[in-house]
Amino acid sequence: GAGVSQSPSNKVTEKGKDVELRCDPISGHTALYWYRQSLGQGLEFLIYFQGNSAPDKSGLPSDRFSAERTGGSVSTLTIQRTQQEDSAVYLCASSTTTGTDTQYFGPGTRLTVL
Amino acid sequence: AQSVSQHNHHVILSEAASLELGCNYSYGGTVNLFWYVQYPGQHLQLLLKYFSGDPLVKGIKGFEAEFIKSKFSFNLRKPSVQWSDTAEYFCAVNEHNNDMRFGAGTRLTVKP
Repeated sequence: GAGVSQSPSNKVTEKGKDVELRCDPISGHTALYWYRQSLGQGLEFLIYFQGNSAPDKSGLPSDRFSAERTGGSVSTLTIQRTQQEDSAVYLCASSTTTGTDTQYFGPGTRLTVL
Repeated sequence: AQSVSQHNHHVILSEAASLELGCNYSYGGTVNLFWYVQYPGQHLQLLLKYFSGDPLVKGIKGFEAEFIKSKFSFNLRKPSVQWSDTAEYFCAVNEHNNDMRFGAGTRLTVKP
């Protein structure tokens, strides 16, 4: 079956612009996670959703970052007024439930802020 | 907040050598532990996981990991590595609050 998909695969933007990243989780997966992978920094947890709600927003680096999920499926991560330090690969993962279940990762969106 | 430490940033081995990658976490409560692997050009995928029971967990491709609660560790091992094991390995910890924390990753290079 289809895995987690993300779009776009690559995004180049100018400093100060807003960007929107999309994640399509595996059908039926109620939990959805966003991570940021920077060179040499490992995976940084950003936010997770259980259904449409986000119980834990503590990982968002600043108020320029926001995320939403509608219909318990697609999620979008929005970065406003992008900065060069936002350049990274943004990964989405989904799982059937939270906590103990295996997370299935998408291919990521590589964001480059010039 | 919990943290996950992977002490080895880059490990270089020859084929058939034994592998052990360290992972330590800071949280003292009940945790679920994972190792994920990212092969070059591929998605992150699960290698193995521990929730409860036997602290020695066996995963795919001959990998295993041992949970030592007293040491807050979950080290990954393989008796004999292959060139195809070249990848980046991430330890992750979930503390039952639905949040997953990853370590910084260890890059493994296996020389043929």
